[in-house]
Amino acid sequence: QVELQESGPGLVKPSETLSLTCNVSGVSINSYYWSWLRQPPGKPLEWIGYMYPGGNTNSNPSLRSRVAISVDTSKSQFSLRLTSVTAADTAVYYCARYKSETGSYWFDPWGPGTLVTVSP
Amino acid sequence: DIQMTQSPSSLSASVGDRVTITCQASQDINKYLNWYQQKPGKGPKLLIFDASNLATGVPARFRGSGSGTDFTFTITNLQPEDFATYFCQQYDHPLLTFGGGTRIEIK
Repeated sequence: QVELQESGPGLVKPSETLSLTCNVSGVSINSYYWSWLRQPPGKPLEWIGYMYPGGNTNSNPSLRSRVAISVDTSKSQFSLRLTSVTAADTAVYYCARYKSETGSYWFDPWGPGTLVTVSP
Repeated sequence: DIQMTQSPSSLSASVGDRVTITCQASQDINKYLNWYQQKPGKGPKLLIFDASNLATGVPARFRGSGSGTDFTFTITNLQPEDFATYFCQQYDHPLLTFGGGTRIEIK
């Protein structure tokens, strides 16, 4: 059974860098795309970006200049860094596997999510 | 950017009811549309991929249809565990976007 779990600080100061890690278990991290998403309070889900270990990456143009997604295959983890945060980056952050099969794509499974608040 | 307009934003229903949610894309996305269920405090769960294909282990009372710009998600014989929030998501790459969500509440 594939399971994902987000971890990281729940409070980040404005202008600083948000850093989160997603621990992956039950599957080889080398074989899939991995993604970060977020949901600000009262707003729709927003896709942040995805990456394939050692290969393709893609991110939301609205966040691209501030986002970095990386993977540590030895720890079966992938990470998100979001620089120069503001209150608008306050959200529940999710990690998810972005699965591809015969040209179809979907997010499954997802982690439970972690709330990150940007505040002084 | 492809905008996904989901409606209604909420609805009240009773156990045994049939409920329908719609999602409209701002441009043609073929069949590149997924549906998810989310319960409080948990990450979303995939229900339907490619507009009409049931994900593994998902009960047959969940159904999706549509292509192009107009999509429908239906739950027949609503069960107590189905009271949750539902989202559509398009994957006409490179930018992936979600609908605003529909919360199904107990009447």
